[in-house]
Amino acid sequence: AQSVTQPDARVTVSEGASLQLRCKYSYFGTPYLFWYVQYPRQGLQLLLKYYPGDPVVQGVNGFEAEFSKSNSSFHLRKASVHWSDWAVYFCAVRHITGNTGKLIFGLGTTLQVQP
Amino acid sequence: DPKIIQKPKYLVAVTGSEKILICEQYLGHNAMYWYRQSAKKPLEFMFSYSYQKLMDNQTASSRFQPQSSKKNHLDLQITALKPDDSATYFCASSQEWGGADTQYFGPGTRLLVL
Repeated sequence: AQSVTQPDARVTVSEGASLQLRCKYSYFGTPYLFWYVQYPRQGLQLLLKYYPGDPVVQGVNGFEAEFSKSNSSFHLRKASVHWSDWAVYFCAVRHITGNTGKLIFGLGTTLQVQP
Repeated sequence: DPKIIQKPKYLVAVTGSEKILICEQYLGHNAMYWYRQSAKKPLEFMFSYSYQKLMDNQTASSRFQPQSSKKNHLDLQITALKPDDSATYFCASSQEWGGADTQYFGPGTRLLVL
């Protein structure tokens, strides 16, 4: 069955430091992958998405992610974290076989930013 | 201006009662979805609609009934509420159903069942 694992429930980094949030997926076939961010008391906002093609995708606010088929991973990165990046980050995979509209999410990783 | 409106933001209900969660999208999308976010669980897909037709139902209980009165509306009726129904319910939409269109999410309705 398709699934998404975000192994880190919480990540703490210092402002200005680099960031990597991990995402592993289990999917048969070619996945479409997404990273969403949820700020406190708000809905989910799309950061970036991967469609089959260039494995490195650029998103908003300096975020990027790299798809690796061999590692079944889609890790999110940022070169320099800002305090406003404090939020919960969700990785998701979408079925593209069977033509379903369903997104499968990981549990999320809470990013805390230290001054 | 918010493009996906969910009402109410917060909802407190008693066990056994019935509530309707409202969702309206102003993105011109043809597909709409409901997801649920319970404590300690990942966001869970519930329903998808395309042009006001139910396409996918992953909710085991018939107590959850989506209702689409207009193309840009997808409400969620929940009957015989239970404490386990306490969660944040998110509405989402995409240009078309299936394929690779991005889903955009509303701010959610936080439901607490006592």
